Amino acid sequence: EPEVTQTPSHQVTQMGQEVILRCVPISNHLYFYWYRQILGQKVEFLVSFYNNEISEKSEIFDDQFSVERPDGSNFTLKIRSTKLEDSAMYFCASSEQGALYEQYFGPGTRLTVT
Amino acid sequence: GESVGLHLPTLSVQEGDNSIINCAYSNSASDYFIWYKQESGKGPQFIIDIRSNMDKRQGQRVTVLLNKTVKHLSLQIAATQPGDSAVYFCAETPNTGGFKTIFGAGTRLFVKA
Repeated sequence: EPEVTQTPSHQVTQMGQEVILRCVPISNHLYFYWYRQILGQKVEFLVSFYNNEISEKSEIFDDQFSVERPDGSNFTLKIRSTKLEDSAMYFCASSEQGALYEQYFGPGTRLTVT
Repeated sequence: GESVGLHLPTLSVQEGDNSIINCAYSNSASDYFIWYKQESGKGPQFIIDIRSNMDKRQGQRVTVLLNKTVKHLSLQIAATQPGDSAVYFCAETPNTGGFKTIFGAGTRLFVKA
């Protein structure tokens, strides 16, 4: 069964450093998303991406965040200058045309900012 | 405003019984309402969705009910099994054209054997 994969599973970084979280969505999916989940809290939408551009972003997704689809398979989330409050689990998700809201989530990357 | 919330943080049921997880929402303009299941250490897993012009939708062992009058969403799980133990999130998709999904706070379901 096809699945969304994410790397790394755990990333530790120092405050102020840049991090790139990587995702490989399901191959025939066209819609891509990033979410974050602070430990014990609800899942928060960050951004949606379609046709090589951002479709929508939340208020969390400020100028420190960016997304990119550098090739036909990867989808990345970059945080330019990490803050302590960026520590969370980051989930990538994808969905296909005709079933936009049936999103398939990856296993997540745990980001720890020290 | 945009908010999706849950009535109860935890629910404990006996194996074999039916479970009902409830959710309240506030955005009347949402297109879809969705239920996700999240097991410990994993990403959310899509269970079922319902379009805003429907009242009920059934899946395999699950039924979602939407009451737009009182802005209430519920997930019914028939014959609950130990493998159903997880956190369940309701979510909604505001009609903003950008595929945004707003998750609620989650209900933890415990299934007692």
